[in-house]
Amino acid sequence: DQQVKQNSPSLSVQEGRISILNCDYTNSMFDYFLWYKKYPAEGPTFLISISSIKDKNEDGRFTVFLNKSAKHLSLHIVPSQPGDSAVYFCAASGMPGYALNFGKGTSLLVTP
Amino acid sequence: DAGVIQSPRHEVTEMGQEVTLRCKPISGHNSLFWYRQTMMRGLELLIYFNNNVPIDDSGMPEDRFSAKMPNASFSTLKIQPSEPRDSAVYFCASSLAGLTGELFFGEGSRLTVL
Repeated sequence: DQQVKQNSPSLSVQEGRISILNCDYTNSMFDYFLWYKKYPAEGPTFLISISSIKDKNEDGRFTVFLNKSAKHLSLHIVPSQPGDSAVYFCAASGMPGYALNFGKGTSLLVTP
Repeated sequence: DAGVIQSPRHEVTEMGQEVTLRCKPISGHNSLFWYRQTMMRGLELLIYFNNNVPIDDSGMPEDRFSAKMPNASFSTLKIQPSEPRDSAVYFCASSLAGLTGELFFGEGSRLTVL
C-alpha cells in the first residue's frame, strides 16, 4: 500500500519557467518530508526537506511547501534549468534519519 | 569523505544462483537501509538496521532474501536462490538516525537474473 503518492509520472517545463512537483501522503504519523533527485545510473541524492512544524522551506531555487491538513506537499523549482532534468522522489518518515517511504517519482524534463 | 560504497555495480546471473550484494556505509552513521527500485513498485524499503541490529525487515520479499550487518562498516544482502523477478536496482543508504534527516544513498547494484 503506497503511503506516499506522486500522481504525475512525468512533467515537461521550459527553461526559465517554474516547475511544480506534487506529492500526497496518507499516513498522519509522518512528520518529516524530503525530496530527492535522481539521475540515471546514480543513487538518489538529497535535495531539500521540511518538518511538520513548518509550512515552507527554501533553499536557493528550490522551495518545498507543506499542507498538513491536506496531506500534500509540493516542490517548486524557479527558474528551471536543463540540468534539473531528473527523476524527483518525494519521501516521508516519522522521524529524521529513519526509514523513508518513497513515492514512485516524477520525471522532470526541462527543455531549452 | 567517501560516500556509501556498493558492490558490484552490475551483476548478471542465472536463475537459481546465489547473489550477494555488499555495502559500506558512511563512517559514523548508525543506520543502514536496503532499498529496491523497480518500475512497478518504485523505491521500496527491504530492511533497515540501527546500530547493526535489524529493526524492520517486513519489506524483505520472502525467505530467499537475507541481510546481515556484522559490524558498523559492512552489510550484505543475499538472494538465494535468485529468480528473474528479483531483477532490479538495489540501493544501500546510511544515515545518522535522529540527528540529521537525510539518507545518503550509494550508486546502486543493478541485478539481472536470466
